[in-house]
Amino acid sequence: DAKTTQPPSMDCAEGRAANLPCNHSTISGNEYVYWYRQIHSQGPQYIIHGLKNNETNEMASLIITEDRKSSTLILPHATLRDTAVYYCIVSVTGANNLFFGTGTRLTVIP
Amino acid sequence: EADIYQTPRYLVIGTGKKITLECSQTMGHDKMYWYQQDPGMELHLIHYSYGVNSTEKGDLSSESTVSRIRTEHFPLTLESARPSHTSQYLCASSELGQIYEQYFGPGTRLTVT
Repeated sequence: DAKTTQPPSMDCAEGRAANLPCNHSTISGNEYVYWYRQIHSQGPQYIIHGLKNNETNEMASLIITEDRKSSTLILPHATLRDTAVYYCIVSVTGANNLFFGTGTRLTVIP
Repeated sequence: EADIYQTPRYLVIGTGKKITLECSQTMGHDKMYWYQQDPGMELHLIHYSYGVNSTEKGDLSSESTVSRIRTEHFPLTLESARPSHTSQYLCASSELGQIYEQYFGPGTRLTVT
């Protein structure tokens, strides 16, 4: 069941920051926000997750608003290899599964 | 680097044939999953397992069956393939009790003619 809303597609210039938004206005207190990406014809790849604090790892940063109703995934310096479908997922840690919606298709332009 | 493998990567087969899609992982993960995905569409969970001898049906009804006799192996079987089974099948695994970091295999693209 879709708990998130993402734009279907976005473009980003190579070398610039890619900011991918996600709306999850019905998120509950024990639900985390997860981000995955799927490069063409491959299996999805985990990127990052968070509960309420901003998170950063070697791949990306996750900014969650104070009311937790939305978040933004930031790829600081997008490369052509970052062209993929990015999925924003909301779920509790004890759930059986993560629901992958249709995501945002990010195209990095040279 | 995730160590999860799927074979075959591509399979074209005629209607009515029995097929088994293989999935193996070397990470010792207890939980494993099978997803089905049509081009440009959502991933749908069709089966998952908590460990040896555990199999559960996912959110999308599927005519396929799975087995989990060994921790590292989670094959998916279609007894009689039909054109409606044409899709990409993705296998994944994660540590038990922690689903956020699922490791996916490269997928099997199945075409039933």
